Amino acid sequence: DQQVKQNSPSLSVQEGRISILNCDYTNSMFDYFLWYKKYPAEGPTFLISISSIKDKNEDGRFTVFLNKSAKHLSLHIVPSQPGDSAVYFCAASETSYDKVIFGPGTSLSVIP
Amino acid sequence: NAGVMQNPRHLVRRRGQEARLRCSPMKGHSHVYWYRQLPEEGLKFMVYLQKENIIDESGMPKERFSAEFPKEGPSILRIQQVVRGDSAAYFCASSSSIRAAKNIQYFGAGTRLSVL
Repeated sequence: DQQVKQNSPSLSVQEGRISILNCDYTNSMFDYFLWYKKYPAEGPTFLISISSIKDKNEDGRFTVFLNKSAKHLSLHIVPSQPGDSAVYFCAASETSYDKVIFGPGTSLSVIP
Repeated sequence: NAGVMQNPRHLVRRRGQEARLRCSPMKGHSHVYWYRQLPEEGLKFMVYLQKENIIDESGMPKERFSAEFPKEGPSILRIQQVVRGDSAAYFCASSSSIRAAKNIQYFGAGTRLSVL
């Protein structure tokens, strides 16, 4: 049973437009959420995180939104750049130091 | 400032052999995590170690798999008597105590294990 779901395996976006990556979770004990980005043949890289006491966290072009009642979070990338093309993993944990549960990933392609 | 180093990058084993995967954390990091990624799936947590201690091994199969992080040297993930289902990418991540408290982990490039 997948506790963290990313229902879109892939997404294509035009350069300069907004990319929206979605994530749903089932475990109501999750309290801390992260996004990681992964390029081929490399390990994942931490991108941004949010705790459940917030509903939004922003870092440059990246914003994560959390809707705890819907058990849903999303990552917005504005504007999208070709270098953003990668697999994006949504992840969650019960506390900020508990084990991390990863979703299956969404492959983002930003078309020049 | 070297990142997390995993070796080998690729490992081929025949069924029944042993696989040893090594992970050298970033300098100053005392927290190490191992994950397994099967094709078309996300990373699955296996084990979390600090120097000489296993903190959480709830994701580790009960048999054939073991992990250690000795006082000196790299962390080792050991798989005995490998089977075809063990074929996967194994990622190691490390963190400092401050970063670990925020679950910010730094990943190596992974070891791709193929079992023939």
